Amino acid sequence: KQEVTQIPAALSVPEGENLVLNCSFTDSAIYNLQWFRQDPGKGLTSLLLIQSSQREQTSGRLNASLDKSSGRSTLYIAASQPGDSATYLCAVWNTGTASKLTFGTGTRLQVTL
Amino acid sequence: SQTIHQWPATLVQPVGSPLSLECTVEGTSNPNLYWYRQAAGRGLQLLFYSVGIGQISSEVPQNLSASRPQDRQFILSSKKLLLSDSGFYLCASTKANTGELFFGEGSRLTVL
Repeated sequence: KQEVTQIPAALSVPEGENLVLNCSFTDSAIYNLQWFRQDPGKGLTSLLLIQSSQREQTSGRLNASLDKSSGRSTLYIAASQPGDSATYLCAVWNTGTASKLTFGTGTRLQVTL
Repeated sequence: SQTIHQWPATLVQPVGSPLSLECTVEGTSNPNLYWYRQAAGRGLQLLFYSVGIGQISSEVPQNLSASRPQDRQFILSSKKLLLSDSGFYLCASTKANTGELFFGEGSRLTVL
């Protein structure tokens, strides 16, 4: 059974800092890995999708990497801003699981002025 | 791009009352559709998913049910709500060629 862990559970950084969020998974037989952002009381917004054959994806100040062999992904946020404050979740889609994703429990990020 | 509409956004219901949450998807055809629940302080729990009209798979035994009467419509129902049904319900859809998952804005249910 796939298990997805995100560390740390919460993180507070001052504005302008670069930061890394971590995601680890136990089963490397994945189809893809996706990072999401969730603002309080809102749905999830897709940030980046990494297919299993890819090593990284970039969108603006965000860069996500994937190392399947070690079961790890990182989300790098450059020059953090207060508007980046949210909960960040990663999810993996295992091969052969009929379209089901396994989610981590998230990292709550606060960027302070 | 896909757009997912959910309603109602907020719902307060007494224990034992029925429930109907609706989800419709725009911008795609024949999507895989999902219902997730997010309880306070907990992770996302997959409740149901559907790969086509009338095809529903249940992940968790419970007093909830789902139906897909049309290609881009997904409905979550209950005949009698329990207190434990309170939570944030999210509908999601995958992009066929990449498997990327998109979510709606959610429906917050409080059962009193």
